[in-house]
Amino acid sequence: GQNIDQPTEMTATEGAIVQINCTYQTSGFNGLFWYQQHAGEAPTFLSYNVLDGLEEKGRFSSFLSRSKGYSYLLLKELQMKDSASYLCAVVDSNYQLIWGAGTKLIIKP
Amino acid sequence: DTAVSQTPKYLVTQMGNDKSIKCEQNLGHDTMYWYKQDSKKFLKIMFSYNNKELIINETVPNRFSPKSPDKAHLNLHINSLELGDSAVYFCASSQGVSGAYNEQFFGPGTRLTVL
Repeated sequence: GQNIDQPTEMTATEGAIVQINCTYQTSGFNGLFWYQQHAGEAPTFLSYNVLDGLEEKGRFSSFLSRSKGYSYLLLKELQMKDSASYLCAVVDSNYQLIWGAGTKLIIKP
Repeated sequence: DTAVSQTPKYLVTQMGNDKSIKCEQNLGHDTMYWYKQDSKKFLKIMFSYNNKELIINETVPNRFSPKSPDKAHLNLHINSLELGDSAVYFCASSQGVSGAYNEQFFGPGTRLTVL
């Protein structure tokens, strides 16, 4: 079966750095997305990785290792507004998007 | 301008009723989707339409039927509502299928409560 694993919840301090991990086992791979979802709102796109390595976009970076079936989202200089759920999603060989259950990130002052 | 819009935002109804949720996108995208997000916050794909053709139909009950009058609209009709249908339903759209760098843009969601 297809499976995406993320921690259910993480806590971090304002101004710090946090890394949210995602491991996946899917039938084929055509890319991995990270989305952010604030409580009561719609998911919004953060990043897309299809090649191995690190993609940096401001305070957020996303890393991919296809051989390990592993990705992480790195958030630097955390702000209170970063409190949200972070969803990992993988595009499988049929171009279907397989979603993880999301990681709820709590930022404390 | 709203990119992906859904109506209504909240829907409260009785078991056994039939209801519809409307979705419109003004991004000129080719593909639209319906997702169900339950209380555990897990996003589950229900349907997607590409150029008015159904290309994904997950194992959802046939009480749920998507209807796409044109490529900018994908409505969701639900017959004989059940308690377990209570969830937030998100509409989304993307350019092309979910392949190379086709991020999905989500609507604000419709919170359905079945009593």
